[in-house]
Amino acid sequence: DGGITQSPKYLFRKEGQNVTLSCEQNLNHDAMYWYRQDPGQGLRLIYYSQIVNDFQKGDIAEGYSVSREKKESFPLTVTSAQKNPTAFYLCASSRDRASTQYFGPGTRLLVL
Amino acid sequence: QKEVEQDPGPLSVPEGAIVSLNCTYSNSAFQYFMWYRQYSRKGPELLMYTYSSGNKEDGRFTAQVDKSSKYISLFIRDSQPSDSATYLCAMSGGDTNAGKSTFGDGTTLTVKP
Repeated sequence: DGGITQSPKYLFRKEGQNVTLSCEQNLNHDAMYWYRQDPGQGLRLIYYSQIVNDFQKGDIAEGYSVSREKKESFPLTVTSAQKNPTAFYLCASSRDRASTQYFGPGTRLLVL
Repeated sequence: QKEVEQDPGPLSVPEGAIVSLNCTYSNSAFQYFMWYRQYSRKGPELLMYTYSSGNKEDGRFTAQVDKSSKYISLFIRDSQPSDSATYLCAMSGGDTNAGKSTFGDGTTLTVKP
């Protein structure tokens, strides 16, 4: 089955800790995206990548980092610099930058 | 002011009602218009996709785009309890938005049996 997978489903972070959220797609899509969703605030773009080895900051990139070493993978690291990381994180991919985006199931990050 | 404004809701209707969900936008460069449905604690799923102005129908769902008014709508006929979810509008297009979609904040719909 083609699709986007995210892991883990739930993630707990301690103060000062970096954590990495996984996103994998087997749709052969070129573009991948990371969003953050807070209650009542819709989706906010963190980072996006239109091609392997290239990525751009979105609207709220501070405290986050990404890599795009493989076409199918776009991991997101939430660093200790992100002071309010509790949110629902969504990964998406699209065939190219002009195509519609398809979403993964999400990872819920909680701070201990 | 946000580029995309979505009727905030929440919206509660009886089963069988016709539902209208709406978004307005300010960026005239937007050319692609999407509606996503998101169930609680799940990722959004693409429901409807429309290019430029006009109507598109898919079963009980109709998407309408009026570029002259910068207004889009999603109509749900014969609404069902299974339609209870948050609906997100999204738009893309134009050089400054290349590779990105802009989302509304979502409208939460509850259909009561």
